[in-house]
Amino acid sequence: GEDVEQSLFLSVREGDSSVINCTYTDSSSTYLYWYKQEPGAGLQLLTYIFSNMDMKQDQRLTVLLNKKDKHLSLRIADTQTGDSAIYFCADPGAGKLIFGQGTTLQVKP
Amino acid sequence: DTEVTQTPKHLVMGMTNKKSLKCEQHMGHRAMYWYKQKAKKPPELMFVYSYEKLSINESVPSRFSPECPNSSLLNLHLHALQPEDSALYLCASSPTSGGDHEQYFGPGTRLTVT
Repeated sequence: GEDVEQSLFLSVREGDSSVINCTYTDSSSTYLYWYKQEPGAGLQLLTYIFSNMDMKQDQRLTVLLNKKDKHLSLRIADTQTGDSAIYFCADPGAGKLIFGQGTTLQVKP
Repeated sequence: DTEVTQTPKHLVMGMTNKKSLKCEQHMGHRAMYWYKQKAKKPPELMFVYSYEKLSINESVPSRFSPECPNSSLLNLHLHALQPEDSALYLCASSPTSGGDHEQYFGPGTRLTVT
């Protein structure tokens, strides 16, 4: 079946760049998504990338897609304490969102 | 407006109670979803409604009963729950089901079963 995998934890210092990685198995999706979940809150759609793109930049966020290796990454430049959250990549394969396990980003002052 | 609202925000219920969770969206989306999320885990899909008809039930126990009264509203009726059903219940909507549409999530209802 389809599978999406992420590392579970990342700790960075404020002002550094954060890179969150994700691998997926279903290569037929038109889009791939990144969601952010702050403590006690629902999921916020952070950004997405069209499957025929290699890179998408949106202010401090850069999404890189390597379709050959089925690897997706989210880079957050100038990471702030407000970026502390759980980040989920999601693959809408077969019409259902398949989530990774989530990466907890800890930002130290 | 990309908002999905959910009520109540918190709910504590006993194992013999009957309660309902409510979800509303006014984006004109025709697909609505219920997810269950345990702490530090990704959301698990429970139900999908497409054009007000139940299209997916992920083998959810019958003590959870979904209802879609109209295209903007989604309810989840709860009866005879177990303590292990305590979780964050998330509602989401998307333009249609299937395909690659992004889903917009509500803030969730934090349910505690005592």
